Amino acid sequence: DAMVIQNPRYQVTQFGKPVTLSCSQTLNHNVMYWYQQKSSQAPKLLFHYYDKDFNNEADTPDNFQSRRPNTSFCFLDIRSPGLGDAAMYLCATSRATGTGANVLTFGAGSRLTVL
Amino acid sequence: GQNIDQPTEMTATEGAIVQINCTYQTSGFNGLFWYQQHAGEAPTFLSYNVLDGLEEKGRFSSFLSRSKGYSYLLLKELQMKDSASYLCAGLDSNYQLIWGAGTKLIIKP
Repeated sequence: DAMVIQNPRYQVTQFGKPVTLSCSQTLNHNVMYWYQQKSSQAPKLLFHYYDKDFNNEADTPDNFQSRRPNTSFCFLDIRSPGLGDAAMYLCATSRATGTGANVLTFGAGSRLTVL
Repeated sequence: GQNIDQPTEMTATEGAIVQINCTYQTSGFNGLFWYQQHAGEAPTFLSYNVLDGLEEKGRFSSFLSRSKGYSYLLLKELQMKDSASYLCAGLDSNYQLIWGAGTKLIIKP
């Protein structure tokens, strides 16, 4: 089945220790997104790629970086996690960003705990 | 600014009908989405409305009024598995999704 797969599902790290979360997709979608979601809050877009074009949200901290080496894979790097970065990180894909083509397919998420 | 408002929490009884409301203010408008999110899981797509009116999809229906900046999600014949958060998201003129914080729906037997 075509899908979006995130690894790891659960990640525990220490304060300041770098973390990398991965996302892969078999949908052949052009757009890949990284969202941060804290409990009972709306998902917050960190950045997205349209093919290789990287789009960073203005309020995304520099502590968060991303890589998309090919169509299928995307990575989220948190260089120095703080306690406030504990959250669920959701990867999503869409065919495009136009009306009707903007339905997002989400991965199961990576829950980050910072000790 | 852009904003999505929806109730924080609602409670309903198994077998009943519930309506979850959403009001939106976006810079331009290119449609409104509803997603379902079970606790600790990723959101899954439920519906997309860009024209006024009601769209029915099985037990779930979604309504849009562009003039009022208003949408609702109607769930019929509620089942326990419908206990989840329901996220409303508007698509603005730049095709950016503006998300609400979600409505937690609690179903009681």
